[in-house]
Amino acid sequence: EDQVTQSPEALRLQEGESSSLNCSYTVSGLRGLFWYRQDPGKGPEFLFTLYSAGEEKEKERLKATLTKKESFLHITAPKPEDSATYLCADLRNSGYALNFGKGTSLLVTP
Amino acid sequence: NAGVTQTPKFRILKIGQSMTLQCTQDMNHNYMYWYRQDPGMGLKLIYYSVGAGITDKGEVPNGYNVSRSTTEDFPLRLELAAPSQTSVYFCATRGGGTEAFFGQGTRLTVV
Repeated sequence: EDQVTQSPEALRLQEGESSSLNCSYTVSGLRGLFWYRQDPGKGPEFLFTLYSAGEEKEKERLKATLTKKESFLHITAPKPEDSATYLCADLRNSGYALNFGKGTSLLVTP
Repeated sequence: NAGVTQTPKFRILKIGQSMTLQCTQDMNHNYMYWYRQDPGMGLKLIYYSVGAGITDKGEVPNGYNVSRSTTEDFPLRLELAAPSQTSVYFCATRGGGTEAFFGQGTRLTVV
């Protein structure tokens, strides 16, 4: 079964301590790989779409990268306001809906 | 521009009751989705629609029904509520691009 696996499940960082979140996917025929941010009690908020291996996208302290089997969300010098759950999802060429991983809960402490 | 609007935001149902979760979008997107999110379980697809008049089952459709009579609206119906349907429900849309846009969710408790 095609699936999206995120690690770690939870991550605690000190403010300014850079790290990476991982998203592994096993699907062939990838149409897009997505990263979302979700704050407590809110709906997921779109961050990035990656389409092909080697692609990178950046937004403020976040950078998303894609290889043939996984994607990374790099967080550089995080701030407490970066605390949230980060969701990864894929869209297959043969499918109509995004398929989500379980998410990584990130806590950044001052 | 409201995007994706879900109502109600919160609801408590008794076992066996019925209700409809409303979802409306003003982005003229063809694709619409219903997901449920349980703690630690990620987002699971319940039903989706590729356009008005066309719907199909997702991963966890049992106990739910949908309709899509217009581009804008995609209501989710629970006929006989069960405790297993306690969850947070999200409606999402997708247009010509590949990314999906989500509503703020409906938190449902069945007691």
